[in-house]
Amino acid sequence: DVKVTQSSRYLVKRTGEKVFLECVQDMDHENMFWYRQDPGLGLRLIYFSYDVKMKEKGDIPEGYSVSREKKERFSLILESASTNQTSMYLCASTNWTSGTEQFFGPGTRLTVL
Amino acid sequence: AQSVAQPEDQVNVAEGNPLTVKCTYSVSGNPYLFWYVQYPNRGLQFLLKYITGDNLVKGSYGFEAEFNKSQTSFHLKKPSALVSDSALYFCAVRDRDNFNKFYFGSGTKLNVKP
Repeated sequence: DVKVTQSSRYLVKRTGEKVFLECVQDMDHENMFWYRQDPGLGLRLIYFSYDVKMKEKGDIPEGYSVSREKKERFSLILESASTNQTSMYLCASTNWTSGTEQFFGPGTRLTVL
Repeated sequence: AQSVAQPEDQVNVAEGNPLTVKCTYSVSGNPYLFWYVQYPNRGLQFLLKYITGDNLVKGSYGFEAEFNKSQTSFHLKKPSALVSDSALYFCAVRDRDNFNKFYFGSGTKLNVKP
């Protein structure tokens, strides 16, 4: 059974802390994505990666960075967490085959106090 | 600009009745179309997709969707709703010309009442 896992389901951090969210997929997918989900705003793309060490900014990259050192792992980093980064964070992966859907992880609900 | 619209924030239906969740898109070319479902505090689960061929696509849990090219719509349907279908539903589009581009609707909350 294919799987995308995220390192934490719930996370509470303080303002100014550095936060790491990790995502691992076991499907050998080239493409990986980080979204945040907020009520009424749907899913907004933060960053995506199309290969190891390759990344592109999405729609809302400010305040975030990413790392992809291995094909199966894609990390989202909040350099200095702020309260407006309290949100649900979703990781997804897919491959280059054109009709393939995205596979999503269970999500991390991050609260920044 | 490329976009996906789900015009209803919420849909209410009685158990046993048919349901429809609407989706229209504005994406150039002939995109790939998807429906996902999300239960509370969970990630998105894939329901079905349209790639090519028959305009009526069948998916998981008895859901189906009808692709209408002239109306650029991809409405999700189910003949008989269950209380357990209550969830948040997202329509998504993948750009055929740029496979990294996925566009999501804002989501529709489906409430099925007993």
